[in-house]
Amino acid sequence: QVQLKQWGAGLLKPSETLSLTCGIYGESFTGFFWGWVRQSPGKGLEWIGEVNHSGVTNYNPSLESRLTISGDISQNQFSLRLTSVTAADTATYYCVRGFGNSNPASNGDYWGQGTLVNVSP
Amino acid sequence: EIVLTQSPGTLSLSPGESVTLSCKASQSVDTTYLAWYQQKRGQAPRLLIYGASSRATGIPDRFTGSGSGTDFTLTINRVEPEDFAVYYCQQYGSSPPWTFGQGTKVEIK
Repeated sequence: QVQLKQWGAGLLKPSETLSLTCGIYGESFTGFFWGWVRQSPGKGLEWIGEVNHSGVTNYNPSLESRLTISGDISQNQFSLRLTSVTAADTATYYCVRGFGNSNPASNGDYWGQGTLVNVSP
Repeated sequence: EIVLTQSPGTLSLSPGESVTLSCKASQSVDTTYLAWYQQKRGQAPRLLIYGASSRATGIPDRFTGSGSGTDFTLTINRVEPEDFAVYYCQQYGSSPPWTFGQGTKVEIK
C-alpha cells in the first residue's frame, strides 16, 4: 500500500521561506514524477510543480521564480521550498505522485494528507 | 495556459438520481491527459478517472468519464450518499502549467 506522509512548518511570517517534505512509503521515488498541489481556503486546486529522480523539474510559471522542488533518492522523499511568502501563499499544500509519468494511471493517484500553511504577520 | 471551465458550479440532487458534470477546455486537450478527482471536505483529492474515460483503481462503475477535444463530462449514475463532494477536472498535456477546473459541488437536495 502506497502512502505519502508530509511534514513541515505550518505558520510563517511574510517574507519567510516555506519548506515541506514528503516521504514516500510502499513505492520507490525512482521512476516517477512527484510533486505538489495547493488549495487556498475555500478555493480550488493549483498545481505547483514536480520533480523526478533525474532532477528534471516542471514548475508552474506563476511560482517558478520563488520555487525549488528537489528529491532525495536515498531517503525516498522529496521537498518543496517556496521563498518570500505572502498571505496569498496561505493554503493547504498536498504532495502527490506527479503528472509527468508515462503511464496515465500513475498520475495523481497518491496524495499526502495535506499541510495547512498559514502566512500571517 | 489551458483554462478548464466546469459547470454547473453546484448541483443539488437526491440519492439515486444521475448527474452529468461538464468540463470545457480553452484549447484542445489530448484525452490521455484529462483526469477527474473527487474531494470530500477535509480530505485530499481522490483520482476517479484518468485518460478521460478510464476508472482508477477501486472506483465503482457508476462513475463514467467521456469526451474529447475541448469538451469532457463525468457522469455519476444513481448517486450514492458517499458521492456528495466536489469534483475537479484536470489537464496535464502539452506544456506546463497543468491546470484544474474550479470544481463542481454535488450536494444533497
